[in-house]
Amino acid sequence: NAGVTQTPKFRVLKTGQSMTLLCAQDMNHEYMYWYRQDPGMGLRLIHYSVGEGTTAKGEVPDGYNVSRLKKQNFLLGLESAAPSQTSVYFCASSYSMVGYGYTFGSGTRLTVV
Amino acid sequence: AQKITQTQPGMFVQEKEAVTLDCTYDTSDPSYGLFWYKQPSSGEMIFLIYQGSYDQQNATEGRYSLNFQKARKSANLVISASQLGDSAMYFCAMRERDFNKFYFGSGTKLNVKP
Repeated sequence: NAGVTQTPKFRVLKTGQSMTLLCAQDMNHEYMYWYRQDPGMGLRLIHYSVGEGTTAKGEVPDGYNVSRLKKQNFLLGLESAAPSQTSVYFCASSYSMVGYGYTFGSGTRLTVV
Repeated sequence: AQKITQTQPGMFVQEKEAVTLDCTYDTSDPSYGLFWYKQPSSGEMIFLIYQGSYDQQNATEGRYSLNFQKARKSANLVISASQLGDSAMYFCAMRERDFNKFYFGSGTKLNVKP
């Protein structure tokens, strides 16, 4: 099925470990985004990309890095995980037009112990 | 200022009744889009309905309709004939012409009672 695929769906990390979350979309969307969702804080934008090879910081970028080497993939990296990064992470993609909404991935539940 | 405001953190509705979830927005851009998403307890984000700023009529999608009052800058979601499966968190969102990102509201948690 066409859409946004996130891997993994669940992960437990120890403090200081690193990991990469993968987001892949097959809709030829230009724009891709990483959000985190925490209880009572809604969705907060971490990083986004407006095209292959480009990335930009969002609202809460500290502690994360991203790369978009191919148009269909957007990677989110945690170099040294901290308990404050325990969250649910959503990837989303969209066309670059005001009338198009996001297509979201199913989310990654990350716990840092 | 908040771009999207959802003032109802939680709501209850009786099954088969209609319910309105409030959303107000703030923009000076004449071209914008308004969206509603549903997030059930399983966690995925499901697109429900879209309203463009230049659309003359209110958007409808099955049991969902968007009560768009442009002068008041409100975009309330109306769910008719509520079902138990409608129990979820609902997010209002807006996209402007600077369309690098969406603005999301804080969400309304809807509980449908049998």
